[in-house]
Order: sequence, then C-alpha cells, then structure tokens
Amino acid sequence: QKEVEQDPGPLSVPEGAIVSLNCTYSNSAFQYFMWYRQYSRKGPELLMYTYSSGNKEDGRFTAQVDKSSKYISLFIRDSQPSDSATYLCAMSTGRGSTLGRLYFGRGTQLTVWP
Amino acid sequence: GAVVSQHPSRVICKSGTSVKIECRSLDFQATTMFWYRQFPKQSLMLMATSNEGSKATYEQGVEKDKFLINHASLTLSTLTVTSAHPEDSSFYICSARQGSTDTQYFGPGTRLTVL
Repeated sequence: QKEVEQDPGPLSVPEGAIVSLNCTYSNSAFQYFMWYRQYSRKGPELLMYTYSSGNKEDGRFTAQVDKSSKYISLFIRDSQPSDSATYLCAMSTGRGSTLGRLYFGRGTQLTVWP
Repeated sequence: GAVVSQHPSRVICKSGTSVKIECRSLDFQATTMFWYRQFPKQSLMLMATSNEGSKATYEQGVEKDKFLINHASLTLSTLTVTSAHPEDSSFYICSARQGSTDTQYFGPGTRLTVL
C-alpha cells in the first residue's frame, strides 16, 4: 500500500461547479499537508498549506484535513476553465530523518469545460 | 515571493553527452533542495535531497554517479546527468525548501530529450 493514495481521475466538470479532490494516507506521523496545482509541462505550484487538522480557506479554494480519518480534501468553488490542471496532494512528517521530504499522491487530472 | 527558477527549460542532446541543469531560489535562501523526475501522467519521483555544503542523499535505485548533484550555495543546486542515454529522457523538476517549514517551492522543470 502506498503511503498516499489519490484517485488519478480524470475528472471533468462544467464551469461553475464545485470540485472536490481527495487523498487518503496511512502514516499517522504526517502533520503538514499541501495541495499543488500542475499545468501541463510546468512545475507544481503551491496552492494550500495546512498544519494538522482543520480547514483553511483561500479565495475559491478550501483545504480540509481530518487526521482521525487520515483524509484530506481540496474544494474548488465556482470552478473556471483556467483551473484545468493536475492537482497533487503532498504531506510530510516535519521531523526526524525525513525532515523536508514530501510524499505525493499520483495527482488528479481536472478539466473544467466552459 | 518564493520563486524558484530552472535552466535550461528544455535540452536535447546526443547519447553519451553530459547535461547540467541549474536550480535557483531567487528570493529566499534554501538550505535544502530536492530533485525530482516525472514521467508522463505520473507523479513526482524523488531522486535526491541536496543540502548546502554537504553531499546529496540519493533515493534507493538512483545512481549517484550518473546523477551528480552539487549544492554550492544557499540559492543554487545543480544536477548533472552524465553519459546520458535515451532512457534518461524525462521531465526533471527541482524544489527548494523555505525556512524551517516543510513547504517546497518548485521550479518550472527541465525537459530532457536524449537522442
């Protein structure tokens, strides 16, 4: 079993829809949770950064972390065609020999059609 | 802020040659930089962790003599693919860790094609 599981999709939604992206993980030591957006042939761009459990909102994006269920989510409201990209979840323990190392999901390919 | 650049963005070379890729953190100091490889429609595969002033730590299965990493300063790390072969063709991405957090900022990537 991989440490981070993410449905690769593809996910296709109409413009204006609410998008829900999810990841599950197995390592209870993960404390830092991130979502990256990657456009084709580009490097990943950090979207959201969350420490421990809870919600974080930034504009149209909301990140949720439920450590008890080992489940994280990213919600995109009022989705736009420009949101079409691959979304990668990533997480880390933040300590010890793996300090700084990120564990990535496979990424979910999202298409928002006009 | 938190911009990471990579150069070149694309390189095509002949089999047997060496290629150097630069990764720079433009507006912050990065004690740790990471090098990843990404295949089409796949996630990022960590190759090595590079700490300024010390030897890089390579992931299992990554040949350190083939993928030479140098982290000469707090803003620059280089990856040299030595004696490149067609199977080394891939998208190489670096990232830089900012401060004491686990936040990594990624470069735009380098597309390597070995003929």
